[in-house]
Amino acid sequence: DTAVSQTPKYLVTQMGNDKSIKCEQNLGHDTMYWYKQDSKKFLKIMFSYNNKELIINETVPNRFSPKSPDKAHLNLHINSLELGDSAVYFCASSRLAGGGGELFFGEGSRLTVL
Amino acid sequence: ILNVEQSPQSLHVQEGDSTNFTCSFPSSNFYALHWYRWETAKSPEALFVMTLNGDEKKKGRISATLNTKEGYSYLYIKGSQPEDSATYLCAFNRRGNKLVFGAGTILRVKS
Repeated sequence: DTAVSQTPKYLVTQMGNDKSIKCEQNLGHDTMYWYKQDSKKFLKIMFSYNNKELIINETVPNRFSPKSPDKAHLNLHINSLELGDSAVYFCASSRLAGGGGELFFGEGSRLTVL
Repeated sequence: ILNVEQSPQSLHVQEGDSTNFTCSFPSSNFYALHWYRWETAKSPEALFVMTLNGDEKKKGRISATLNTKEGYSYLYIKGSQPEDSATYLCAFNRRGNKLVFGAGTILRVKS
């Protein structure tokens, strides 16, 4: 069983569309994250939720909206997609919030905006 | 702005060589330092989470040390094997703050 799973793995869409990426973890962790791998390959935090509560919200365009229906799921919705949104998005979870526990990553979702 | 710097950027070694990489981070208000191994087309996997100055951790042929006073951590690989080829990421955070990743060191081990 995959511990942290993301869907879809690949997403190709047109500029202006709205799309979602889903993430689920079966580890019983309280904290989940969305990271973006930027053009220089850095992993940059976008959002973090602890037990369904938003605890980190980086300077991300408000076209990006995370939603956590329960602590095992953290979805990422993106409105009005732009070319610059093309990237690989990684979901992760950890037992502890605040960086004290190791992160378990999903396999990434590669978004291509045409 | 927290800067986490890793060196070298990339490294090519022969099978059997031992190697090490450096991660530098701000030394004030230290909370945790993470090392991850990231193979191509896979997701990053945690190697170590280190929280105490002077910590040394080991997993098989891979070990890491931590100096929080001077702000650096070393990752060592003894007797490198081709399957060790990956990007090695470190990440740092202060208490209550986000985890900030470095750009990684790309290791290629030739057989």
